[in-house]
Amino acid sequence: DAEITQSPRHKITETGRQVTLACHQTWNHNNMFWYRQDLGHGLRLIHYSYGVQDTNKGEVSDGYSVSRSNTEDLPLTLESAASSQTSVYFCASSAGTSIETQYFGPGTRLLVL
Amino acid sequence: GENVEQHPSTLSVQEGDSAVIKCTYSDSASNYFPWYKQELGKRPQLIIDIRSNVGEKKDQRIAVTLNKTAKHFSLHITETQPEDSAVYFCAATNTGNQFYFGTGTSLTVIP
Repeated sequence: DAEITQSPRHKITETGRQVTLACHQTWNHNNMFWYRQDLGHGLRLIHYSYGVQDTNKGEVSDGYSVSRSNTEDLPLTLESAASSQTSVYFCASSAGTSIETQYFGPGTRLLVL
Repeated sequence: GENVEQHPSTLSVQEGDSAVIKCTYSDSASNYFPWYKQELGKRPQLIIDIRSNVGEKKDQRIAVTLNKTAKHFSLHITETQPEDSAVYFCAATNTGNQFYFGTGTSLTVIP
């Protein structure tokens, strides 16, 4: 069955380290998104991509980067992890450029010490 | 950009009663409004959505209403069951790509 997966599911890192969170979908969706979820803030958009080689900044993009080299993957990199980036990270995807439902991955819980 | 406000932040109801969660949005161009349910430790999952060309949509015990003039939309759950206990998020978008989410409502259904 087609799906969207994230790895790792849990990660502990230290301040200043570079961290990469993986997102992989097998639906052949054009659009992919990264959100962070924090208590009291709901889901906030970090970066998104409409297709290969396309990336865009979202609401809370500072300190994060993404790259899209193929349709299936959108890895999220924290260049120099900060304690403020401790959060639960969700990847999502949707099919096309019109209004489409987003489907979420299982999430990655990141702790920055 | 869009601003979505969601109320209440917590809601407790007796099993069998109805629950209503309300969201307002700021951008009159928004035209798609999904609702997601998130159980503890799980991913958000779409439960119902509505587009701006309709005023109401139902799916069994769940319904969503939209008032474009007032710029608000609501989730209605009837005959609540313990398995309805979860956090519910509303969202709005006018592009199909950038979803703006509310801050969530934690619903507890008391048996």
